[in-house]
Amino acid sequence: IQLTQSPSSLSASVKDRVTITCRASQGISSYLAWYQQKPGKAPKLLIYAASTLQTGVPSRFSGSGSGADFTLTISSLQPEDFATYYCQQLNSFPLTFGGGTKVEIK
Amino acid sequence: EVQVVESGGGLGQPGGSLRLSCAASGFTFSTYAMSWVRQAPGKGLEWVSTIGAGGGDTFYADSVKGRFTVSRDNSDNTLYLQMDSLRAEDTAIYYCAKGLGSLFPLSRVVDYWGQGTLVTVSS
Repeated sequence: IQLTQSPSSLSASVKDRVTITCRASQGISSYLAWYQQKPGKAPKLLIYAASTLQTGVPSRFSGSGSGADFTLTISSLQPEDFATYYCQQLNSFPLTFGGGTKVEIK
Repeated sequence: EVQVVESGGGLGQPGGSLRLSCAASGFTFSTYAMSWVRQAPGKGLEWVSTIGAGGGDTFYADSVKGRFTVSRDNSDNTLYLQMDSLRAEDTAIYYCAKGLGSLFPLSRVVDYWGQGTLVTVSS
């Protein structure tokens, strides 16, 4: 199953609302997770089951979607949110990640 | 505190072998699926392999199938990745990753990652 993220990069300002999309090449129900990765660091789990917020993740992060189309939304971008974001499908092996979306400071 | 710590990375020869280890602590290792995920320099994340909690179920990316073998020692809380027939394209940081839950689909979600170990394949 291929995952296509868009955009591949974006520039945004603090307090902006940011939306990242992830499209699967076939339906995956709600078996999708989102991760955040900062330079030189391991990824961090943000959301699983498409919309369930991982413990400790700020509520400005939210996920939605089912089937083949998903979104990650940051309601009010904070300085610590500048990072690369990846989606991952959990529906079937081989597990796959999207290509990533780099969120940069405008 | 949950911790997963990789070791065993380094320089490998094309066609050669390396064995990665991951020492786990702070959770009941034997009840969670574990995975390996890699990241080539400047590239995105690539899932490599997952092993079930008991060790009987193993899954591999097509790019490593037949060359890599995942295993675990639940008595020692250690995950392994035996890497044979190494290729230049295997050069990457390899992360050890803990599953969020014991069963599908949470077993496939990664909630804890190691710091990664760098594998470089070059002559």
